[in-house]
Amino acid sequence: KQEVTQIPAALSVPEGENLVLNCSFTDSAIYNLQWFRQDPGKGLTSLLLIQSSQREQTSGRLNASLDKSSGRSTLYIAASQPGDSATYLCALTGNQFYFGTGTSLTVIP
Amino acid sequence: EAQVTQNPRYLITVTGKKLTVTCSQNMNHEYMSWYRQDPGLGLRQIYYSMNVEVTDKGDVPEGYKVSRKEKRNFPLILESPSPNQTSLYFCASSSWTGLASGNTIYFGEGSWLTVV
Repeated sequence: KQEVTQIPAALSVPEGENLVLNCSFTDSAIYNLQWFRQDPGKGLTSLLLIQSSQREQTSGRLNASLDKSSGRSTLYIAASQPGDSATYLCALTGNQFYFGTGTSLTVIP
Repeated sequence: EAQVTQNPRYLITVTGKKLTVTCSQNMNHEYMSWYRQDPGLGLRQIYYSMNVEVTDKGDVPEGYKVSRKEKRNFPLILESPSPNQTSLYFCASSSWTGLASGNTIYFGEGSWLTVV
């Protein structure tokens, strides 16, 4: 069974700091990797999609990488802002979707 | 505006009373899916549908039914709800047609369901 793990479960950083969120998984052979943001009481918003044949994607201050051989993905957030405070989830996505339990990020002004 | 709309957003019901949570999308997406989100367990997929009249079980389908008679709608049916189905439910849709298509997914706002 596919397992997706995100460590740490919670992270608190001062504004302006660069940070890395981690995602590990057991089987990436036939999946894309996607990062989402979830604000309290809200649905998920897709941030970045890395297709199975790709190694990274960038959008603004966000950069996500995918290393299928090691079963890892990272989401790099540059120059963090208080508005970045949210829960970040990674997911392996194909016909079925497998989500990690998320990292709750707090950026302190 | 691209939207996935779920109803109801909040519901308290009693054990055994059948209920349906509706989901509708306006993006002509082939792929639709349902998830439940529970503390410590994250999001788990209940059912998904690749197109009209095509549905498949996700990780936690027990106690749920779905149907896909129209492309835009994908209702989630709880025939006999039990307290362990108390959860936050999300519907989502995507243009997914395979790995090469990419699959940015759009989520509804969620439906808070309490079964007493």
